[in-house]
Amino acid sequence: QVTLRESGPALVKPTQTLTLTCTFSGFSLSTSGMCVSWFRQPPGKALEWLALIDWDDDKYYSTSLKTRLTISKDTSKNQVVLTMTNMDPVDTATYYCARMDAAGTFDIWGQGTMVTVSS
Amino acid sequence: SYELTQPPSVSVSPGQTARITCSGDALPKQYAYWYQQKPGQAPVLVIYEDSERPSGIPERFSGSSSGTTVTLTISGVQAEDEADYYCQSADSSGTSHVVFGGGTKLTVL
Repeated sequence: QVTLRESGPALVKPTQTLTLTCTFSGFSLSTSGMCVSWFRQPPGKALEWLALIDWDDDKYYSTSLKTRLTISKDTSKNQVVLTMTNMDPVDTATYYCARMDAAGTFDIWGQGTMVTVSS
Repeated sequence: SYELTQPPSVSVSPGQTARITCSGDALPKQYAYWYQQKPGQAPVLVIYEDSERPSGIPERFSGSSSGTTVTLTISGVQAEDEADYYCQSADSSGTSHVVFGGGTKLTVL
């Protein structure tokens, strides 16, 4: 059974750096074609894609946020980490990670973690 | 930047057919995916590659594509189908990678 779980701080202050961890099970990020991606959803708003890392350690970022994002993986721990610098109240959102399978489908999602940016 | 356009809301009575559209210039070249999201829950994939249905998704969910528009059709809508629905695709140039539509709120009257 494939599962993903997001973890990280519920509250960060403006200008701080956010670090989120996606811990997964039931698949290996070493398997060809496998990827893990991060998304976010501000309260009452639409989903937004943030970043993706693939089995070959290639990384892709949202054009609008790429200067603030870093995605990395620790295959031995089955974890993918996302950092976002210079947090602002507009970054308040639920952050999700999801697996992308070899067919390019985000087929399994974590339950999400709510992050509030406030002083 | 590349955009996918969805109607903000669609309303239907139980048993009727709901159609939710998604428009984007790159859709003739890129697959579309549809996700259902209920309040407080993570998105769930209901259609992939324009018209394929994942295992476990009811047969009343179907997808189609015509030119720059893809459509999610829910036949015989049930109360449990009330949710937000998002289309997702990619820019054909590859620069926008993953793009979501603004979402459509399906209300079952």
